[in-house]
Formats: sequence, C-alpha cells, structure tokens
Amino acid sequence: AQSVSQHNHHVILSEAASLELGCNYSYGGTVNLFWYVQYPGQHLQLLLKYFSGDPLVKGIKGFEAEFIKSKFSFNLRKPSVQWSDTAEYFCAVIPTGGGNKLTFGTGTQLKVEL
Amino acid sequence: DAGITQSPRYKITETGRQVTLMCHQTWSHSYMFWYRQDLGHGLRLIYYSAAADITDKGEVPDGYVVSRSKTENFPLTLESATRSQTSVYFCASSVSTPQETQYFGPGTRLLVL
Repeated sequence: AQSVSQHNHHVILSEAASLELGCNYSYGGTVNLFWYVQYPGQHLQLLLKYFSGDPLVKGIKGFEAEFIKSKFSFNLRKPSVQWSDTAEYFCAVIPTGGGNKLTFGTGTQLKVEL
Repeated sequence: DAGITQSPRYKITETGRQVTLMCHQTWSHSYMFWYRQDLGHGLRLIYYSAAADITDKGEVPDGYVVSRSKTENFPLTLESATRSQTSVYFCASSVSTPQETQYFGPGTRLLVL
C-alpha cells in the first residue's frame, strides 16, 4: 500500500516570501500525484496534478510542483506567497495501475502574515 | 453548476443514534467517495462507489454503511454513532476512475456527544 509524508506540519511565512512544501510518497509503481488546498472553512480544491510528461507542473494561483521520481517527491512551490494563500495544503497519491484509494498526507497548515 | 452538495452541513447527535449524511452530484460522475478528515490523519477513505449499486470498502469502513441506488446520490449512514466518529466528512466524485481528479463537496461537520 502507498503512503504519503508531508514533513512540514505548520509553516509561517511573511508575504512575498517563497514557499516550498515537501511531499514524499512510498510506492513501487507509477502514481498520479495531486496537491489540494483547503481554505479556512471551505472544501478541498485542486491546485495541480501530475499524471505523466513534464515533471514540472503548473497549477492555479501561481503554484507549481516538481515530480522527482528518483526521490519519490512532489514538492509544492510558489515564488511569492500572499496573505490569501493561508490555508491547509494536502499532497495525495494514487497508483495508476489499479487500486482505488487516493492516499492523502496529513497536511501542512500555512499561515501567511502581512 | 451545483457540483457536489452535502447535507446537512452541521450535525450534532448522541451516541447510539443513527445518522445519515447526504451527498448529491450533478455531473453524472461514475465514481463517488466518502472521506473523513481528522487532525493528524489527513483524509481517509471510508467507502467508494464505481457506479449505481456498486460499492466497496475503503480504509476505515467500520461503523458505516453506504448505498447508491442512483448515480447522483451516495448517502453515508452511521448505524449507531460513536464519539470516535466525530469528524468532518467529505464526499467526492470523479468522472470515470479514481485515478482522475476527485472533486470534493463542502463537507459535513459531525459532532457525536
């Protein structure tokens, strides 16, 4: 079974700072990878996803993520965060070759201060 | 475009009572899912459904029952609620496989006293 680790549980940044949130997974086969965001009091929304092709994927609101297969990582980045990026961020992975369980990491709570 | 709706949005119940959480989607997506979100655990899959009348257990199915008589509805029933089932419950759907993007509803916050 696959698992996902998000090492940063709480991150506090000032506006305009750069962001990188770590995500590592364990699974021997090919996977689809996702980053979801949950703004306070709201439901999960898709930020970006990787299925295949260019390992650098761009999502909404200026976010991007890089899939590094050799490191089993899919880190999320943003060059300059805004106060409105305050939210909880979840990495998720699902095997491509069967299996129906999308596995989530425990989430990273990001607070952006003015 | 309503997407996925869940009802109720908030529910307080007592231990031992039966509770049903509703999920409705307007996209005619084949797959539907129920997750629970708890601090320190992220989201965990309770049950999923590939189509009407096809359901299967996820990671944490004990104490829950699901049905899917119509493609658009996927209710989750707690047969006899326990305090450990206090959580936020999210319904999700995907077009035709679980590997595709899953779209989430607004959630139901359930408190079991």
